[in-house]
Amino acid sequence: SQTIHQWPATLVQPVGSPLSLECTVEGTSNPNLYWYRQAAGRGLQLLFYSVGIGQISSEVPQNLSASRPQDRQFILSSKKLLLSDSGFYLCAWSAGLTGTYNEQFFGPGTRLTVL
Amino acid sequence: AQSVSQHNHHVILSEAASLELGCNYSYGGTVNLFWYVQYPGQHLQLLLKYFSGDPLVKGIKGFEAEFIKSKFSFNLRKPSVQWSDTAEYFCAVNEGAATGFQKLVFGTGTRLLVSP
Repeated sequence: SQTIHQWPATLVQPVGSPLSLECTVEGTSNPNLYWYRQAAGRGLQLLFYSVGIGQISSEVPQNLSASRPQDRQFILSSKKLLLSDSGFYLCAWSAGLTGTYNEQFFGPGTRLTVL
Repeated sequence: AQSVSQHNHHVILSEAASLELGCNYSYGGTVNLFWYVQYPGQHLQLLLKYFSGDPLVKGIKGFEAEFIKSKFSFNLRKPSVQWSDTAEYFCAVNEGAATGFQKLVFGTGTRLLVSP
């Protein structure tokens, strides 16, 4: 069966520090991968998605970047964190199949607090 | 841009009470609609979905939702809630095709607390 992992679970970082959040998926190949963020009082917002290795699409301009160095690995990064980067970050995957509905499956999330 | 509104941010009910959570979206074209649930300590998971056909959709654990196109709504209902329904509920929308790659737009969520 498929499993999605995210780490760390919680993170407290000072403003201006770098960030690296990692997401890995097991039990599937060629998945579509997604990063979402939920800021306080707001809905889940899609930040990035990837349909293959090295292919990253950004949904909103921001202080963050994403990379997909391996088929089942998705990394969210920042060179210098801002206070506004605080929030709950969720990684998700879906099958990369065409012509059929592909449900998105979510990881446990990372709660990031920038002080 | 597409947006999703969930007007009830916090709902408190007693067991056996009926539940209705509101969801409205802004897109006027073809949409696919979803309700996700996150139980305490668990991952966000799909509760039910609507693509086409019968506007009344039944999901897991006795939940159902009704798509009313004229009202741009997809409200979630359950006739009799249980303590185990305590969770956060998210409405989501994807515009366009129901197959292949999808970009979901989520509402802000509704926290439901069911007291025994």
